[in-house]
Amino acid sequence: GQNIDQPTEMTATEGAIVQINCTYQTSGFNGLFWYQQHAGEAPTFLSYNVLDGLEEKGRFSSFLSRSKGYSYLLLKELQMKDSASYLCAVRSFTGGGNKLTFGTGTQLKVEL
Amino acid sequence: DTEVTQTPKHLVMGMTNKKSLKCEQHMGHRAMYWYKQKAKKPPELMFVYSYEKLSINESVPSRFSPECPNSSLLNLHLHALQPEDSALYLCASSRGGETPNYGYTFGSGTRLTVV
Repeated sequence: GQNIDQPTEMTATEGAIVQINCTYQTSGFNGLFWYQQHAGEAPTFLSYNVLDGLEEKGRFSSFLSRSKGYSYLLLKELQMKDSASYLCAVRSFTGGGNKLTFGTGTQLKVEL
Repeated sequence: DTEVTQTPKHLVMGMTNKKSLKCEQHMGHRAMYWYKQKAKKPPELMFVYSYEKLSINESVPSRFSPECPNSSLLNLHLHALQPEDSALYLCASSRGGETPNYGYTFGSGTRLTVV
């Protein structure tokens, strides 16, 4: 089976930097995604890592260490609109094909 | 067109009803997915279709029946549901195959209430 863990909640200040961690255990690892989801809305794609290292995309960066089963999402220059749930998702290859499994999600609250 | 469209947006059904959820994409994606999401929980995978064939069924009860009529459409037929099946049902699509197909695109979901 798979085990994907994230902190349940985090609070940060507008303008600050926040790091959301994700640890995973899976077989057939085939990439790690980060999604943002506002309440009642669909998840929206933020970033993707399949090789070790850092991927930067504007205010968002994501890091992956496959040997440690670890990823983080870094959000810089936080804005109030960044208050949302952040989902780490692992793609794994099984006999039936690729599947994307979500972690527990981290609810981020950005305060003034 | 870079969207996944789901209909209806909201659905209320009785436990004896039969209804269907629909999902459509025109991005040429060959893999489509159904997820179920309860409040304050992450999405849970239900079914994966790859090249119009059911490739993964995550031990979903038979009262949920998926169907993929063609490469652009995905349906979820519902019958004899229970109140605990009330949730947001999300459809997603991706390029499919073995290529690095990052960027799963999600629809806005159908909010289902079973009474």
